[in-house]
Amino acid sequence: DAKTTQPNSMESNEEEPVHLPCNHSTISGTDYIHWYRQLPSQGPEYVIHGLTSNVNNRMASLAIAEDRKSSTLILHRATLRDAAVYYCILRGPGGTSYGKLTFGQGTILTVHP
Amino acid sequence: SAVISQKPSRDICQRGTSLTIQCQVDSQVTMMFWYRQQPGQSLTLIATANQGSEATYESGFVIDKFPISRPNLTFSTLTVSNMSPEDSSIYLCSAVMEGAFFGQGTRLTVV
Repeated sequence: DAKTTQPNSMESNEEEPVHLPCNHSTISGTDYIHWYRQLPSQGPEYVIHGLTSNVNNRMASLAIAEDRKSSTLILHRATLRDAAVYYCILRGPGGTSYGKLTFGQGTILTVHP
Repeated sequence: SAVISQKPSRDICQRGTSLTIQCQVDSQVTMMFWYRQQPGQSLTLIATANQGSEATYESGFVIDKFPISRPNLTFSTLTVSNMSPEDSSIYLCSAVMEGAFFGQGTRLTVV
């Protein structure tokens, strides 16, 4: 599996934007970039995913570098409820490994009031 | 999306006993997965559970220790057998559609 690298931790203030980076220099051409987050005492929660183009949904935006070797998860206005561990995961398009997620250590996001 | 219910949410068990964790999905899914999250750690995949076939285990996990059932497209169980304190972890099931959806987890403490 291609590996991702994320900062161990980041901090933000409430209502400010947060940019969470992820490096994936060995990404293959068919790997999707997925982001999940895990709130305290809960299972991981799907946030967003993309392949080449930037993506937006109600939770966040995903900015993907042109060479796809890095991506950034953008929370436009952080709230206290966004404090979580954020995981950047590469996932193949199909086959027997489809759906298997390899979790790294993720980025612990702290949001200050 | 999918809603996944896990039971029990937590349990304290004696060493040497077994615990079966149930995972119910509110819609039919082909692929289900079981993960373990040890204290302070990230998630590690235990096995893939597809309906109609035997579970496929990841390196370091064996069927005798973690037997899995997948009787239909909405349900799976994971049994943690002959438990020791090292098995104290959170166990999570996951169902995959376009994204992966997770249960709340089962927090297991073995004493």
